[in-house]
Amino acid sequence: DTGVSQDPRHKITKRGQNVTFRCDPISEHNRLYWYRQTLGQGPEFLTYFQNEAQLEKSRLLSDRFSAERPKGSFSTLEIQRTEQGDSAMYLCASSETGLLNEQFFGPGTRLTVL
Amino acid sequence: KNQVEQSPQSLIILEGKNCTLQCNYTVSPFSNLRWYKQDTGRGPVSLTIMTFSENTKSNGRYTATLDADTKQSSLHITASQLSDSASYICVVRPGTYKYIFGTGTRLKVLA
Repeated sequence: DTGVSQDPRHKITKRGQNVTFRCDPISEHNRLYWYRQTLGQGPEFLTYFQNEAQLEKSRLLSDRFSAERPKGSFSTLEIQRTEQGDSAMYLCASSETGLLNEQFFGPGTRLTVL
Repeated sequence: KNQVEQSPQSLIILEGKNCTLQCNYTVSPFSNLRWYKQDTGRGPVSLTIMTFSENTKSNGRYTATLDADTKQSSLHITASQLSDSASYICVVRPGTYKYIFGTGTRLKVLA
């Protein structure tokens, strides 16, 4: 499968615990995005990488959130001290540089904080 | 403020019928507009991409239109099928790496 993959697909955790999600983009894609999506809403931008550089981080992303893309390939999104409001679908997407290039999404990680 | 608004929020139609979903945007500058289909519990999948010079773009039974002057787009689904049940999301690119997403229209096709 040469699409965007995310792991895990589902995560249930207790409030206060840390969680980490992984995204493997399409191999030749240099752009990688993280989004959060709650029920009935469109994806909300969290952060963006161009290769290994994190070029923008949304104001939605509190200090409890951190993302990395250490070698410009896979990326991780960590949430520390999770809160119930963090429950959502976390989507990763990748694309090549270019305004008309398609953005490909992964299947998402569904986080439930109890 | 860059915004993308979609209507209706939800729609129920019978299998075989046509429907049209609307998208209004206030994004500036404008580069291109995309429609995505998102099945429940899955990531969005691109249906069409249109630049400001394109008025219409088709992908099978899906036809998107764009009026860059009025900043409106529509997605028309012909002869709907049960598998069309999904959320349809309008997305506008303002000429940067960003994507501005609408909240989506949830379509339910009934047998």
